[in-house]
Amino acid sequence: AQKVTQAQTEISVVEKEDVTLDCVYETRDTTYYLFWYKQPPSGELVFLIRRNSFDEQNEISGRYSWNFQKSTSSFNFTITASQVVDSAVYFCALREYGNKLVFGAGTILRVKS
Amino acid sequence: DTGVSQDPRHKITKRGQNVTFRCDPISEHNRLYWYRQTLGQGPEFLTYFQNEAQLEKSRLLSDRFSAERPKGSFSTLEIQRTEQGDSAMYLCASSLGDVQPQHFGDGTRLSIL
Repeated sequence: AQKVTQAQTEISVVEKEDVTLDCVYETRDTTYYLFWYKQPPSGELVFLIRRNSFDEQNEISGRYSWNFQKSTSSFNFTITASQVVDSAVYFCALREYGNKLVFGAGTILRVKS
Repeated sequence: DTGVSQDPRHKITKRGQNVTFRCDPISEHNRLYWYRQTLGQGPEFLTYFQNEAQLEKSRLLSDRFSAERPKGSFSTLEIQRTEQGDSAMYLCASSLGDVQPQHFGDGTRLSIL
């Protein structure tokens, strides 16, 4: 069965600190997709990144970077030089063959000025 | 490009009443999904459509829940005889095919008195 674990319930950092959000997943499929979404206080889930199981290359987009390691079934998300606007709930999600997304419980990130 | 639109944003109703929510997906998206999110949790899959066909339903979707997408465009989610446990945020998402990311609306927050 599919499962996504985000062990960090809440993280607080001071602005400009780097922060890493952990995501561990379980799946029996060899073909799957991993996602990160951001949910700001307004409530809308905002898509950040999609990764397929055959592409383990790390990705960087501005202050955001993602580290995908199949050997440890992890897909971690790092924000460099955090800003107050990064404060939100971040969700990791998994999709096997098929269409539904299975989400983790989310990590609340609070960035203080 | 208009995003996913959901109506209403908030719904307060008494236990036992019926409620209906509407979702308008991104115009060219053929896939439409419904999720439910309770406080402190990640979204949970309810059902999805490809065009007008409902292709999968979660066990979470009891007999009191029904979803339709009559013309393959907008969708409605109806809950009959609402119960306290139905209080949640109901999220709609759409995608172009099964590989592309799902884009979410702002959600409808349902409160049962």
